[in-house]
Amino acid sequence: DVKVTQSSRYLVKRTGEKVFLECVQDMDHENMFWYRQDPGLGLRLIYFSYDVKMKEKGDIPEGYSVSREKKERFSLILESASTNQTSMYLCASSLGTGTYNEQFFGPGTRLTVL
Amino acid sequence: AQSVAQPEDQVNVAEGNPLTVKCTYSVSGNPYLFWYVQYPNRGLQFLLKYITGDNLVKGSYGFEAEFNKSQTSFHLKKPSALVSDSALYFCAVRDMNTGRRALTFGSGTRLQVQP
Repeated sequence: DVKVTQSSRYLVKRTGEKVFLECVQDMDHENMFWYRQDPGLGLRLIYFSYDVKMKEKGDIPEGYSVSREKKERFSLILESASTNQTSMYLCASSLGTGTYNEQFFGPGTRLTVL
Repeated sequence: AQSVAQPEDQVNVAEGNPLTVKCTYSVSGNPYLFWYVQYPNRGLQFLLKYITGDNLVKGSYGFEAEFNKSQTSFHLKKPSALVSDSALYFCAVRDMNTGRRALTFGSGTRLQVQP
């Protein structure tokens, strides 16, 4: 089974802090994704990566950056956390160059910014 | 641009009755369509997908979905609901004819199955 793990289930940070969310997948998937999930808004794509060191902006990239130095690891960085970034963050991965392959999701990180 | 709409925030159904969770989509070309489910305190799980071929797609846990191109819909169905089906369901789409690699998800529909 594909396993996608996220470094923390719950995280509490203060406004202005730099926050790192880590995601690791163990199935050699080319594609990795970061979403945020908010009630009534569904999942919104922040960034995705289709190869090491390659990234593309999603629908809501403002205030976020990403890093993919190794194929299995995709990091989401909040350079200066703000209260409006309080949310559930979901990481996902999928196989191949086409996104018709299903995405496998991690358990999520619930981030609270005070 | 690609988009997907789930018109119902919540669907309530009695155990044993058929259930339908609605999804409509908008793409400029042909769609890839997906359904995912999120059980409480768990990540999203893939249920089924439509890529091409037969309009009726069967997936996990007895769920199926019907692709209707003329109505631009991809409703999720199950003949007999279980209490354990209670969860949050997401429809997602990708336009095959654009350069966008990622999926666009709907806002989600909460399914509540009463015993």
